[in-house]
Amino acid sequence: GAGVSQSPSNKVTEKGKDVELRCDPISGHTALYWYRQSLGQGLEFLIYFQGNSAPDKSGLPSDRFSAERTGGSVSTLTIQRTQQEDSAVYLCASSLGLAGAYEQYFGPGTRLTVT
Amino acid sequence: QKEVEQNSGPLSVPEGAIASLNCTYSDRGSQSFFWYRQYSGKSPELIMSIYSNGDKEDGRFTAQLNKASQYVSLLIRDSQPSDSATYLCAVPFLSGTYKYIFGTGTRLKVLA
Repeated sequence: GAGVSQSPSNKVTEKGKDVELRCDPISGHTALYWYRQSLGQGLEFLIYFQGNSAPDKSGLPSDRFSAERTGGSVSTLTIQRTQQEDSAVYLCASSLGLAGAYEQYFGPGTRLTVT
Repeated sequence: QKEVEQNSGPLSVPEGAIASLNCTYSDRGSQSFFWYRQYSGKSPELIMSIYSNGDKEDGRFTAQLNKASQYVSLLIRDSQPSDSATYLCAVPFLSGTYKYIFGTGTRLKVLA
C-alpha cells in the first residue's frame, strides 16, 4: 500500500516568509510524528499527534512553529517568519498506534532552505 | 533525561565481513527497540524491531537485545557495499509521553 507522503519535497523560501509543510500518513495510522534533521545531524523530535490531539509539543523550537492535524489524517507543520536556522529536512512519520508497541514509518521528507 | 547512545563511527568493515552496531539506552523500563537505516540524502527506513531478550534474525540482519545490560545491537552478516549507510537506534520514551528517542546514528562503510 501507499506509504507516508510529504509535500513539497523541496522548498526554498526567503527569510521572514511563512511556509507550510504537509504530511499524509499511512491510511489507518493514528499516530503521527514530526522531526527535523539538520545536515549531518540526528533526528530532532518536534511534535506528535494521536488522532487530532497533540499531547507532546515539547520539541517545537519556538512559537514560530505550529502544527495541526485534521480528520485524524493529514498534518500540516507551519513555520512563521522563517529564519536561516530553520533550514533542514523536515520528516514526518506515522504508526498504527502510540510509541512502544508499534513500528514507525517515515515519509521522504521536505528539504527546507531559507535564504 | 532519557538517552539513546551510539558510536558515531565511521565503522569500516570489508565486504563479506560481519558489521556489529551497538546502542545503549538509559530507560530501564524500555520494552521495544527499533533499528533504522538511513542512506545519505534519504529518510530513515525501518530494518528491524525487537521486543524480547535474545536474538531476532531477518535475512542478513540479526538484532540482539539485553535488557539487563540495557543494550541492543544489530549484526549485518556478509556485509555489502550497499549496506553503507547510517544506522539509527530508536527507543520509545513512555513516561508521560509517547515519543521515540533516536540515537545520533552509526555511519557504516563497507569497503569493496
